[in-house]
Amino acid sequence: DAGVIQSPRHEVTEMGQEVTLRCKPISGHNSLFWYRQTMMRGLELLIYFNNNVPIDDSGMPEDRFSAKMPNASFSTLKIQPSEPRDSAVYFCASRSDRTNIQYFGAGTRLSVL
Amino acid sequence: AQRVTQPEKLLSVFKGAPVELKCNYSYSGSPELFWYVQYSRQRLQLLLRHISRESIKGFTADLNKGETSFHLKKPFAQEEDSAMYYCALSGTSYGKLTFGQGTILTVHP
Repeated sequence: DAGVIQSPRHEVTEMGQEVTLRCKPISGHNSLFWYRQTMMRGLELLIYFNNNVPIDDSGMPEDRFSAKMPNASFSTLKIQPSEPRDSAVYFCASRSDRTNIQYFGAGTRLSVL
Repeated sequence: AQRVTQPEKLLSVFKGAPVELKCNYSYSGSPELFWYVQYSRQRLQLLLRHISRESIKGFTADLNKGETSFHLKKPFAQEEDSAMYYCALSGTSYGKLTFGQGTILTVHP
């Protein structure tokens, strides 16, 4: 298995633009998590899904952020409109109920100018 | 509520010295504790989990329920151990992890 796959690896955009981050979880995993990592705030959980259903989105910072999981093999995190303070590394992780271990993707480094 | 505290943001040791990264947690139930490691600009990787009681890369961690701690230890640090280390707690909700703020370990030659 290739592990959790995120794309793009790097994204540079201008303030006000829409940004879409993508994640492909490990096949067979039924939970998916989106995190944001910054120097100031560390690792923050934004939202997580179980069996494609959003369970807790209380970590999503604002209405500008939205996430979807249309099927078991794909999820998106969208920021619209983006702002400079959204600049961070965004990680996706997936987990199997059987093992209770989260496996992380390589992350998307987002820079909003 | 679940909370994980890593009191040291930065920790520096010399190669060959012992190292201990501290982690304390707060949770009313029976938690599962993990240590994740992130090497420079790489993804987070699982290092240890308390239920497996393993030693990985020379690291060990023991869950102390009385002190609500899960400190990470290694008797002889190596330069390649330099990384960010996160302690994390999993409660009962779909494996949601609560992470500490992380400790940057630097091992000097």
